[in-house]
Amino acid sequence: DAGVIQSPRHEVTEMGQEVTLRCKPISGHDYLFWYRQTMMRGLELLIYFNNNVPIDDSGMPEDRFSAKMPNASFSTLKIQPSEPRDSAVYFCASSLDPSGSRKQYFGPGTRLTVT
Amino acid sequence: AQKITQTQPGMFVQEKEAVTLDCTYDTSDPSYGLFWYKQPSSGEMIFLIYQGSYDQQNATEGRYSLNFQKARKSANLVISASQLGDSAMYFCAMREGPSEKLTFGTGTRLTIIP
Repeated sequence: DAGVIQSPRHEVTEMGQEVTLRCKPISGHDYLFWYRQTMMRGLELLIYFNNNVPIDDSGMPEDRFSAKMPNASFSTLKIQPSEPRDSAVYFCASSLDPSGSRKQYFGPGTRLTVT
Repeated sequence: AQKITQTQPGMFVQEKEAVTLDCTYDTSDPSYGLFWYKQPSSGEMIFLIYQGSYDQQNATEGRYSLNFQKARKSANLVISASQLGDSAMYFCAMREGPSEKLTFGTGTRLTIIP
């Protein structure tokens, strides 16, 4: 069975440009998460969805960031306009509830570089 | 206060030895879950083991076991018979109450020496 799929794997863009990161969760999973990993701040949750509805977006840094989940098999994280401090690895993860641990399965990540 | 504390930034361990990675947590919620993830140099996050706050026994998954000491609020990961492929970053994480949010520690970089 396919794991969480993220695209692109690498993105290099110039400051001020719009960036869209994409995620396909594991089929049947009803939770989807977006995380950001940087050396300074570590791994932090940005937002998560349950059944396509945003539940907690308290980790979204500012209005330049937005996330959507139009259906159960697709989500996007958009940054507009991008800034150099947005450079990070962005992970998407999914999980199924209820299932004991409700462990999260992570995608391979998108490495974003904003110059 | 930090919710998850990993005090060992880096560790070097001889191959085939056992290794313990420390994790302490802070929560006032009686219901919580503790996780360990491995992040090799390739970058992906790999789930290793889970311990629920109400679980009576320590979790085990193959060579991984979790030394859960509830009163001390610690959830140390024990890797038995370490292998070269165990070299990676290891993250402890916690989920509290009904929220699905995971809060991660800063990680420990483990290097296995042949």
